[in-house]
Amino acid sequence: EPEVTQTPSHQVTQMGQEVILRCVPISNHLYFYWYRQILGQKVEFLVSFYNNEISEKSEIFDDQFSVERPDGSNFTLKIRSTKLEDSAMYFCASRSRERNYRPGELFFGEGSRLTVL
Amino acid sequence: GESVGLHLPTLSVQEGDNSIINCAYSNSASDYFIWYKQESGKGPQFIIDIRSNMDKRQGQRVTVLLNKTVKHLSLQIAATQPGDSAVYFCAEKAGAQKLVFGQGTRLTINP
Repeated sequence: EPEVTQTPSHQVTQMGQEVILRCVPISNHLYFYWYRQILGQKVEFLVSFYNNEISEKSEIFDDQFSVERPDGSNFTLKIRSTKLEDSAMYFCASRSRERNYRPGELFFGEGSRLTVL
Repeated sequence: GESVGLHLPTLSVQEGDNSIINCAYSNSASDYFIWYKQESGKGPQFIIDIRSNMDKRQGQRVTVLLNKTVKHLSLQIAATQPGDSAVYFCAEKAGAQKLVFGQGTRLTINP
């Protein structure tokens, strides 16, 4: 069964460093997302991406964050200068356009845990 | 607003019993709701969705009920199994693509 894969599974970084989290969405999906989950809390929307551009973003997704689809298969989230409060599990998700009648059916990866020291 | 919340943070049931997980929402204009399951160490997994023009939708062993009058939805799991142990989130569509998740209810199945 196709799945969303994310790397790395865990990254530890120093405050102020740049981090890139990588995702390979399901191959025929056209909508891509990043969500994050601070330990023990709810899942929060960061950004959605469609047709090579950001379609929607949250207040969390400030100038320190960026997303890119560099090569038609990978989807990356970059945090330019990490802060302590960026420590969280970051989930990538993708969605099929063929199932637009089910806009909430996102397929999530297993997440990348980011620890900022 | 676009908030969703759950009544209880934890729920414990006996294996084989039915489980009911509740969720309240505040925005009466919300028209699409989703339930997700998150097992330990994994990403959320889609279970079932419902639009506001319905009040009930059934899947395999799961039923979602929507009461628009009191802005409440519930997820019923029939004959719970050990594999149902997880955190369950309700979510609502709150923008073109954005989903807003609730806090989650941890379901524990006792043998």
